[in-house]
Amino acid sequence: GEDVEQSLFLSVREGDSSVINCTYTDSSSTYLYWYKQEPGAGLQLLTYIFSNMDMKQDQRLTVLLNKKDKHLSLRIADTQTGDSAIYFCAESMNTGFQKLVFGTGTRLLVSP
Amino acid sequence: NAGVTQTPKFQVLKTGQSMTLQCAQDMNHNSMYWYRQDPGMGLRLIYYSASEGTTDKGEVPNGYNVSRLNKREFSLRLESAAPSQTSVYFCASWELISGNTIYFGEGSWLTVV
Repeated sequence: GEDVEQSLFLSVREGDSSVINCTYTDSSSTYLYWYKQEPGAGLQLLTYIFSNMDMKQDQRLTVLLNKKDKHLSLRIADTQTGDSAIYFCAESMNTGFQKLVFGTGTRLLVSP
Repeated sequence: NAGVTQTPKFQVLKTGQSMTLQCAQDMNHNSMYWYRQDPGMGLRLIYYSASEGTTDKGEVPNGYNVSRLNKREFSLRLESAAPSQTSVYFCASWELISGNTIYFGEGSWLTVV
């Protein structure tokens, strides 16, 4: 079965790096995603990684995938107060149709 | 730039009342979804429609029905609302040619009292 777990809360100071972790159970996942949700808003796709990759960098965001341990992380460099939000990881098996299984979400609080 | 549009944004219902959440997308996507979001539980899939004319149950379908009215529209109906259905509901859509991005609506906040 599919199960995705995240820690619920992370607090950092502005300018520090944030690392949000996620573990998943389905080894047949083909894509893994990070979504951001700001208060009162929908989900915004931040980045995704294909399961045959182990790292992807996109400006301040670095995604690391350890497929052996089924562990995914999102590193945000130089974290800003505007990065305060809930971050969801999600896994998907693309069998011609996308169906996402989401983690519980990690609330990131960035203090000045 | 509409993307995925959901209505209503906020609704308060009494237990036992019925209502329909509407969702429309203007991206010509084949696949559409309804998720619910509850604190500490992330998003859970209620129903999905892989293509026009098909619908399937997700993880938490009980108490809900859906209709894929046409390619653009996918509605979620609560026939007899219960307090356990108090949640935030998200509609989403996807198409293979759009890559790996599933587009979400802005959410519908539903409270059942």
